[in-house]
Amino acid sequence: QSALTQPASVSGSPGQSITISCTGTDNDIGSYNLVSWYQQKSGKAPKLIIFEGRKRPSGISNRFSASKSGNTASLTIAGLQAEDEADYYCCSYAGTIRLVVFGGGTKLTVL
Amino acid sequence: EVQLVESGGGLIQPGGSLTLSCAATGFSLSSNYLSWVRQAPGKGLEWVSILYNNGNMYYADSVKGRFTISRDTSNNTLYLQMNSLRAEDTATYYCTLISMMVVAIDSFRVWGQGAMVTVSS
Repeated sequence: QSALTQPASVSGSPGQSITISCTGTDNDIGSYNLVSWYQQKSGKAPKLIIFEGRKRPSGISNRFSASKSGNTASLTIAGLQAEDEADYYCCSYAGTIRLVVFGGGTKLTVL
Repeated sequence: EVQLVESGGGLIQPGGSLTLSCAATGFSLSSNYLSWVRQAPGKGLEWVSILYNNGNMYYADSVKGRFTISRDTSNNTLYLQMNSLRAEDTATYYCTLISMMVVAIDSFRVWGQGAMVTVSS
């Protein structure tokens, strides 16, 4: 049982937009603007795509965007492409005791 | 270029010990924050251990007392010593470079390619 709750799967057609939610609590997402998102393609290591809630590392497409409302963070992928098919994980800072918590991951299928 | 390369994975019997290594290039271990994050087959991500630049070490409850994180600054390598291994420790172990926001963990910025550990008789 992961600390952050994500849908197990989402799907969309090329060109469409999808949103993946990540629900935590007042003790993690709700207290800090330190949500990060990771993309993991099959057989590969995870890759950081969003940090500090909504910032993109250099080289990450602006089709990826993120936001937060209360205890829920969201990742939106616009203009879906076949190459976006992957597992996506959210993560949040959770204070000096728990440190960080991950979501269980969401499998994105591009139809 | 910042790069992390893990080694040392393999098949080990329950109760056995194994040490993973993570060679870092492009930055200095001594001034950065690092971690080990694992992923059991078909499962999600779980942080295992975190090493702050001041030497403070943190462990997930699932490995506390069995795993030890350390670093050798002379060869810029991070280690994870794993003792009393259990079947549930079977996973791919990733070495990661952490970005900090003041004193809070911001994100896992750079990941190694992973080292597979299988605990089985």
